[in-house]
Amino acid sequence: GESVGLHLPTLSVQEGDNSIINCAYSNSASDYFIWYKQESGKGPQFIIDIRSNMDKRQGQRVTVLLNKTVKHLSLQIAATQPGDSAVYFCAETADNYGQNFVFGPGTRLSVLP
Amino acid sequence: DVKVTQSSRYLVKRTGEKVFLECVQDMDHENMFWYRQDPGLGLRLIYFSYDVKMKEKGDIPEGYSVSREKKERFSLILESASTNQTSMYLCASSQTYGYTFGSGTRLTVV
Repeated sequence: GESVGLHLPTLSVQEGDNSIINCAYSNSASDYFIWYKQESGKGPQFIIDIRSNMDKRQGQRVTVLLNKTVKHLSLQIAATQPGDSAVYFCAETADNYGQNFVFGPGTRLSVLP
Repeated sequence: DVKVTQSSRYLVKRTGEKVFLECVQDMDHENMFWYRQDPGLGLRLIYFSYDVKMKEKGDIPEGYSVSREKKERFSLILESASTNQTSMYLCASSQTYGYTFGSGTRLTVV
């Protein structure tokens, strides 16, 4: 991930709309990626992962898209709910054992009523 | 589910104090990590350990040390706390792919 300085990017969406959160990763050798959600006052929680041999992976209301050509990862949240308000960040690793992650700075998602 | 427990949610310490942050995991994971989290900078790795009594420096080890005497416990030590160590500290553990994080300790050094 790339640092964007001291201010966290913020995405505001209306409740019920779809959200798209983006992440530019830095290492072309990275082959495993995770999206984490961090609610205020809590530790990061695993949302969804994807390996580099895939372009897309779907979970419950979430989809991760991977574009290796431009080193870009996105998280799509369908029908965004107030409980989705949190900071979301991506993590990448080129480690064969799935360790040594590099984390992006995060994006704050605010869901408007 | 794996549980990673950090002993304190909030701490306020004085400059120059020696500070201990404790982390315990209950799933027999080999790997444990300490990160600090600052707005806009993401998670930065301080130290990690792949086995008991083993430790490796991460990206920002200066001013910190660690201890792993037992597999389930990984302690972060601030030898002489300074105001620039005011931050959120996150512990994580893992066995294979992905990390499980604790809830974090928000440390303020005054």
